Amino acid sequence: ETGVTQTPRHLVMGMTNKKSLKCEQHLGHNAMYWYKQSAKKPLELMFVYSLEERVENNSVPSRFSPECPNSSHLFLHLHTLQPEDSALYLCASSQDPGDSNQPQHFGDGTRLSIL
Amino acid sequence: QKEVEQDPGPLSVPEGAIVSLNCTYSNSAFQYFMWYRQYSRKGPELLMYTYSSGNKEDGRFTAQVDKSSKYISLFIRDSQPSDSATYLCAMSVYSSASKIIFGSGTRLSIRP
Repeated sequence: ETGVTQTPRHLVMGMTNKKSLKCEQHLGHNAMYWYKQSAKKPLELMFVYSLEERVENNSVPSRFSPECPNSSHLFLHLHTLQPEDSALYLCASSQDPGDSNQPQHFGDGTRLSIL
Repeated sequence: QKEVEQDPGPLSVPEGAIVSLNCTYSNSAFQYFMWYRQYSRKGPELLMYTYSSGNKEDGRFTAQVDKSSKYISLFIRDSQPSDSATYLCAMSVYSSASKIIFGSGTRLSIRP
């Protein structure tokens, strides 16, 4: 497999459930990102990891908990979510988080629906 | 006021037409400008990247930056049905992937 792979593609969960989103990149990149994309809103950066260390946390509620066990894998653990958290969650990777000229490669996202 | 404004569309044009997609912004410190294309049920992909003002051409695509007007454009020549997608503008002050501000996207449809 090549590129950035996200699983699952779709997820429906209740507000009291615990679930995890998974992202895997096969590009040898050093940085990984989580974004939230809501309808008719701009992409919102949630977390940035560089060489497995979290370097950015954009005031994301604690019900979202990221984990980066190695430079190829990124998880987003979900707990006690709210209906407004329903959105497309995108994972991306790039070679260097300090260089926007290095393109971010996005996965196809997990469509999350909170009942 | 949003930092980056982008008309959501949808924009529908016939095949072969020239398409113009635009964004305005409020932060005069932005120096790096990008356009992403996002097909339905797919993640965004970087289409064009420019630094500061001027034009950049890549095949049928031309990115234009006018910093004095705080306005950027993406032109698509000889548009094809395969160009139907949502186009996101993005920009940043620093060359840092974690500081990119995205527009909300314009949905484009090319009619055969």
